[in-house]
Amino acid sequence: EPEVTQTPSHQVTQMGQEVILRCVPISNHLYFYWYRQILGQKVEFLVSFYNNEISEKSEIFDDQFSVERPDGSNFTLKIRSTKLEDSAMYFCASFYAGELFFGEGSRLTVL
Amino acid sequence: GQQLNQSPQSMFIQEGEDVSMNCTSSSIFNTWLWYKQDPGEGPVLLIALYKAGELTSNGRLTAQFGITRKDSFLNISASIPSDVGIYFCAGLSQGGSEKLVFGKGTKLTVNP
Repeated sequence: EPEVTQTPSHQVTQMGQEVILRCVPISNHLYFYWYRQILGQKVEFLVSFYNNEISEKSEIFDDQFSVERPDGSNFTLKIRSTKLEDSAMYFCASFYAGELFFGEGSRLTVL
Repeated sequence: GQQLNQSPQSMFIQEGEDVSMNCTSSSIFNTWLWYKQDPGEGPVLLIALYKAGELTSNGRLTAQFGITRKDSFLNISASIPSDVGIYFCAGLSQGGSEKLVFGKGTKLTVNP
């Protein structure tokens, strides 16, 4: 069964460093998303992406965040200057026919 | 912004018992989804509801989309140890965006 894949599964970084989280959505899907889940809390919407541009973003998705689809298959989330509070699980998802398919997540730990 | 109130926050039950959890909102949603999340993994879709009043089953799971479009419940019958996890409701708004709004989750513990 097709699935959304994410790398890395876990990244540890120093505060202030740049981080890139990668996702390969399901191939015929057109809508892509990043969600974040701080440990023990609910899943929060960050950004949606359609037709090579951001279609919607939350108040969490400030200027330190950016998304790209550089090569037609990968979908990346970049965090420019990480803060301690960016420590969370980041989930990529792609959407088709009313269903959102989630990847297994990338755990980011900022020290 | 839109918010979902999910309850209870946590449940501790014995194997074989039935479970019920629900979500309410002040906003109208045109789709309700129920997800289960195992530790360290992404949410996995259990049931999707597309019509107000719809009652849908998936094995031991039953979910209903409230007639007002502002609430939904999930029932699990005859719980088993592998039902352990966090269950999230999520609503898809009417605005045409495919953005999901998640509840805070219900943590289920099943004692054998």
